[in-house]
Amino acid sequence: EAGVAQSPRYKIIEKRQSVAFWCNPISGHATLYWYQQILGQGPKLLIQFQNNGVVDDSQLPKDRFSAERLKGVDSTLKIQPAKLEDSAVYLCASSLIGTGQETQYFGPGTRLLVL
Amino acid sequence: TQLLEQSPQFLSIQEGENLTVYCNSSSVFSSLQWYRQEPGEGPVLLVTVVTGGEVKKLKRLTFQFGDARKDSSLHITAAQPGDTGLYLCAGASAGTASKLTFGTGTRLQVTL
Repeated sequence: EAGVAQSPRYKIIEKRQSVAFWCNPISGHATLYWYQQILGQGPKLLIQFQNNGVVDDSQLPKDRFSAERLKGVDSTLKIQPAKLEDSAVYLCASSLIGTGQETQYFGPGTRLLVL
Repeated sequence: TQLLEQSPQFLSIQEGENLTVYCNSSSVFSSLQWYRQEPGEGPVLLVTVVTGGEVKKLKRLTFQFGDARKDSSLHITAAQPGDTGLYLCAGASAGTASKLTFGTGTRLQVTL
């Protein structure tokens, strides 16, 4: 079974530029998560989708970050404009239903460096 | 905001030694998970504990959930170089059943 796919794996941009990340979850998984992991810290949930609806985006900086999950499958996360403090690994994860006791399957992440 | 503090932050030990990693919070969690993350990869689930006082074993790894469901520990017996990685605890609260709050992480290095 294929895992969670993310692209690109690495991205270097200058501050104030825009960037987009793509995630393809495991087939059949209803719930999709985007996390931000700053170096040396644990992942922080940015947004959670249940199918194509948003369940939780309380920690998403909505003035610059946006995310969508069209057709309840693939998802994109966009940053516009980027700031230096956005340098981090952006992890996508998916789970079958969306309960706290479920296994979340993570992709390899996109490492973003903002100069 | 719920916080999960892990200790120690860093641990460097030799092969064969034992170690314990702690995950503490002032909040109660309905379940707690432990993940291991290797460089350049996403976290991988090791175990889920749901009952206060629960103990689970996974080969040389022993996980315990505190009686009050506010803390957890991970004990590794006879560590091996393959155990090297970032260990993360993550809690799910009763109010937001599907949202995980991750701990600060413990970076473990096991050398020969």
